[in-house]
Amino acid sequence: GAGVSQSPRYKVAKRGQDVALRCDPISGHVSLFWYQQALGQGPEFLTYFQNEAQLDKSGLPSDRFFAERPEGSVSTLKIQRTQQEDSAVYLCASSFSRSNQPQHFGDGTRLSIL
Amino acid sequence: QQQVKQSPQSLIVQKGGISIINCAYENTAFDYFPWYQQFPGKGPALLIAIRPDVSEKKEGRFTISFNKSAKQFSLHIMDSQPGDSATYFCAASGTSGSRLTFGEGTQLTVNP
Repeated sequence: GAGVSQSPRYKVAKRGQDVALRCDPISGHVSLFWYQQALGQGPEFLTYFQNEAQLDKSGLPSDRFFAERPEGSVSTLKIQRTQQEDSAVYLCASSFSRSNQPQHFGDGTRLSIL
Repeated sequence: QQQVKQSPQSLIVQKGGISIINCAYENTAFDYFPWYQQFPGKGPALLIAIRPDVSEKKEGRFTISFNKSAKQFSLHIMDSQPGDSATYFCAASGTSGSRLTFGEGTQLTVNP
């Protein structure tokens, strides 16, 4: 596709439910990033993949957060046993290579935990 | 902790004026400094970026000024237009990894 695609655009879940957020990066982009953006704040790094390898997961806030990219293209961010503090916009970005190339963002998934 | 500090938090400019947003960083390992524009309900869109080997970069109405010794960089928007009204984020990343560290954002309003 022409850009990074994320689905669903909006997700409402009850506290304690599991959710899965999907990211389709730009075709051919090797690097994929997940960020979390709280209301009125800048995005904060969660995790980074180079192809299928998860090279950095230091930003994941707890072990309830899990990300995968099994075939080096589509990625899924999973949050288990959701809490109210997980409510945020989850942004996915991709770039052509690893070293400081422009990151192109999707429009995000707005997650609301009731 | 790696931080990027951004100011002002909000900015109101008249049409045709110059908008100036400033950022300061701490980590001297940062070597890539992009600016992003974000509209409500949309993801951040890359505007312009600079590396520390140059002190200024201009693309159309957008200019980045970079001061390596002061560890500061700024975005200038010339001839600001109402369509420029958005939230602007500065960011930085370093050779040790490509993760972006973002500033807190500046909400720009350009009045007609």
